[in-house]
Amino acid sequence: DAGVTQSPTHLIKTRGQHVTLRCSPISGHKSVSWYQQVLGQGPQFIFQYYEKEERGRGNFPDRFSARQFPNYSSELNVNALLLGDSALYLCASSLSGEPLPNYGYTFGSGTRLTVV
Amino acid sequence: RKEVEQDPGPFNVPEGATVAFNCTYSNSASQSFFWYRQDCRKEPKLLMSVYSSGNEDGRFTAQLNRASQYISLLIRDSKLSDSATYLCVVNNWGYSSASKIIFGSGTRLSIRP
Repeated sequence: DAGVTQSPTHLIKTRGQHVTLRCSPISGHKSVSWYQQVLGQGPQFIFQYYEKEERGRGNFPDRFSARQFPNYSSELNVNALLLGDSALYLCASSLSGEPLPNYGYTFGSGTRLTVV
Repeated sequence: RKEVEQDPGPFNVPEGATVAFNCTYSNSASQSFFWYRQDCRKEPKLLMSVYSSGNEDGRFTAQLNRASQYISLLIRDSKLSDSATYLCVVNNWGYSSASKIIFGSGTRLSIRP
């Protein structure tokens, strides 16, 4: 079975540009969460979607938006990129919205975004 | 105060040693807890869930102390392959939407031969 897949794996963008990151959850999983991880820090929660509805939003500016499609895949969009948006963006997949004991969340390998 | 705090380390210990990490959390109503392992430039991977009664998986033992609001991870007979960053994760599902699943900043562990 395929795990959580994210694309692209690496991306270089210029300040002010827009970026779209994509995530496909594990088959059968209905929840996708997005995290931002800057070097030396733990992942920071951005969004969670469950059954195509937004279930949670972290403390990120409105430049960040996301959506979930009928097939449960998801996109994270970031507008007006800043240098500080450079980070590893992780997508996490789970059966339900809440991480279940012994299963937690399963992460994709991430998209490494560099803003120059 | 951060919602989840960990000693960043690094912990540098010899192979075969026993090492322990602690993690404290601020929300007394937090519901579940996990330890994740993250290798350099890789995604986090679930190491183990943490149960109130404590749980063990091979060389790894996790403990939860709800009264003092901390969880711990003990690694016995450490191996070179245990070198990684260990992330403490707290689940606040059902509470403010900005605080559902909180990761600590991680504790770096380096095992030397």
